[in-house]
Amino acid sequence: DQQVKQNSPSLSVQEGRISILNCDYTNSMFDYFLWYKKYPAEGPTFLISISSIKDKNEDGRFTVFLNKSAKHLSLHIVPSQPGDSAVYFCAASAPQGAQKLVFGQGTRLTINP
Amino acid sequence: KAGVTQTPRYLIKTRGQQVTLSCSPISGHRSVSWYQQTPGQGLQFLFEYFSETQRNKGNFPGRFSGRQFSNSRSEMNVSTLELGDSALYLCASSLAGVIYEQYFGPGTRLTVT
Repeated sequence: DQQVKQNSPSLSVQEGRISILNCDYTNSMFDYFLWYKKYPAEGPTFLISISSIKDKNEDGRFTVFLNKSAKHLSLHIVPSQPGDSAVYFCAASAPQGAQKLVFGQGTRLTINP
Repeated sequence: KAGVTQTPRYLIKTRGQQVTLSCSPISGHRSVSWYQQTPGQGLQFLFEYFSETQRNKGNFPGRFSGRQFSNSRSEMNVSTLELGDSALYLCASSLAGVIYEQYFGPGTRLTVT
């Protein structure tokens, strides 16, 4: 049972444009969400997070949007840069499993010059 | 400061054998989590330790176990290896838990033949 889903295995965006990565979840108890970026041969690196009491969180070029009614979150990267090419994972945590993260399968983002 | 280190980086084992992987967290971090990454399943949570106590465990068989030492270093053990255990095993550390910013190590690539 995949509780966190990233339905797009890959995404290609032109440099300078907006990249939008999507993530859906099924467990309504999830109350904290995170995005990680992973380069080949490296471990994931934390990007940005959002609590369920918010619907938006910004950090520089990165913005995460949360739609609780739709059980959907998205990561916007504006403007996209070549160094953003990586695999992006969304993850979620529930209060009773506060020390457990459920990850999506990842989306490979390619930024074309 | 030094990042999360994992040893060994690569390992080849035979079915039925057991294996021990090691993780040294960032100095001062008390939480260590382990994840299994496979192409089809993405990142899956194995377990999390905090101050030598396992706080949560993912949906893995009992062949997967772990421990944490007083210096926060952690080991995970897989007994009676199966072909399906071939994966990248990632360790992550944080100050207090998985919902906080986690720092991942480069992983140990385990191949079971």
